[in-house]
Amino acid sequence: GIQVEQSPPDLILQEGANSTLRCNFSDSVNNLQWFHQNPWGQLINLFYIPSGTKQNGRLSATTVATERYSLLYISSSQTTDSGVYFCAVEKGGGADGLTFGKGTHLIIQP
Amino acid sequence: EPEVTQTPSHQVTQMGQEVILRCVPISNHLYFYWYRQILGQKVEFLVSFYNNEISEKSEIFDDQFSVERPDGSNFTLKIRSTKLEDSAMYFCASSNVLSTGELFFGEGSRLTVL
Repeated sequence: GIQVEQSPPDLILQEGANSTLRCNFSDSVNNLQWFHQNPWGQLINLFYIPSGTKQNGRLSATTVATERYSLLYISSSQTTDSGVYFCAVEKGGGADGLTFGKGTHLIIQP
Repeated sequence: EPEVTQTPSHQVTQMGQEVILRCVPISNHLYFYWYRQILGQKVEFLVSFYNNEISEKSEIFDDQFSVERPDGSNFTLKIRSTKLEDSAMYFCASSNVLSTGELFFGEGSRLTVL
């Protein structure tokens, strides 16, 4: 099946810092989503971004489908940004669901 | 904003007991999914469901698991005889497009098997 690798696995930053999270995938995809899992375990949709660039407030994402990677940018980090960020992809052509990466565990310190 | 809702938020059960997790997908969505996340691990696909039947299932989704859409709004996951290793967060998701469509996730049901 498709492989999804996220980097870095862990990231500790001070409040106000910027960060870039990366997601590499091993095959062409028709669906790519970024999620934030908060400390209560809830999965929050951040972006649906199979290609192109999107921005939502302090967060933005870029997917370069031809090169099989996506980037999530977080600017001016806040302590509430802490949690695990997951990238998930679907190859398409069926209903086999999203394949998740192992996530990036982000800690924002005050 | 429409959302996927799940109940219960947390369930504790004894090994060997049957558990039913419930989900109400977004009302105009047609495709439904269950995912599982064991503590500290990544989220894993269990099963997808469309038109009242299973579309795809992973190797995790063995004979102990079943899904059902008993009425027009609920989507359930049943674990027939729970094992310790079934302890996990279970997420329901829905989409209105098969493959390539954005999936919307519920807040999860945490199952603890003792």
